[in-house]
Amino acid sequence: EVQLVESGGDLVQPGGSLRLSCAASGFTFSNYWMTWVRQAPGKGLEWVANIKKDGSEKYYVDSVKGRFTISRDNAKNSLYLQMHSLRAEDTAVYYCARQETSYSYAFDIWGQGTMVTVSS
Amino acid sequence: QSVVTQPPSASGTPGQRVTISCSGSSSNIGSNTVNWYQQVPGTAPKLLIYNNNQRPSGVPDRFSGSKSGTSASLAISGLQSEDEADYYCAPWDASLNGWVFGGGTKLTVL
Repeated sequence: EVQLVESGGDLVQPGGSLRLSCAASGFTFSNYWMTWVRQAPGKGLEWVANIKKDGSEKYYVDSVKGRFTISRDNAKNSLYLQMHSLRAEDTAVYYCARQETSYSYAFDIWGQGTMVTVSS
Repeated sequence: QSVVTQPPSASGTPGQRVTISCSGSSSNIGSNTVNWYQQVPGTAPKLLIYNNNQRPSGVPDRFSGSKSGTSASLAISGLQSEDEADYYCAPWDASLNGWVFGGGTKLTVL
């Protein structure tokens, strides 16, 4: 079964750091671009970052540039999001998603999400 | 506030046809394909339409997408109660160098 499972969400103080993980299974992870999308409580979806198959290209939404780093370990079939200098506005459910090449890189498989709460 | 605009709400009765619009600009919808996602509250989003008008396997043909210029739309025919969800359009934006989501449209089946 094709599956993505996020982990690492937690309650963290403003200015703190957190690392999210996304474990992939059921497909050849190294063949796909991967992405992170977040959703603040009661709000819409916001794309956060994505990374090329081999990790050589990374793109970020302006609001997280310089604070968040997306990475991957193809040997471990895992995607990561390292978050620093966290702010209250980073509070959200964070989803990882697979980008399907034949679907014009649409996000065809999603994880269940992991909650990040930034509060003192 | 998103660079891609959707109406916040839409509604219809069972069996009806409803459409949801998505308005953007030359840097996103005008020059790139549009994808649509469905999200039932409390669950992860699901890909509904890719490449403007293509359905992934398993998505009923009641769902269709179209694009013209800097606007796109999602149509749902034969509306069913299980279609009640939030719908998001999402094109790539060449100016922002990133994906953008519309603000989302909450569909209510009356």
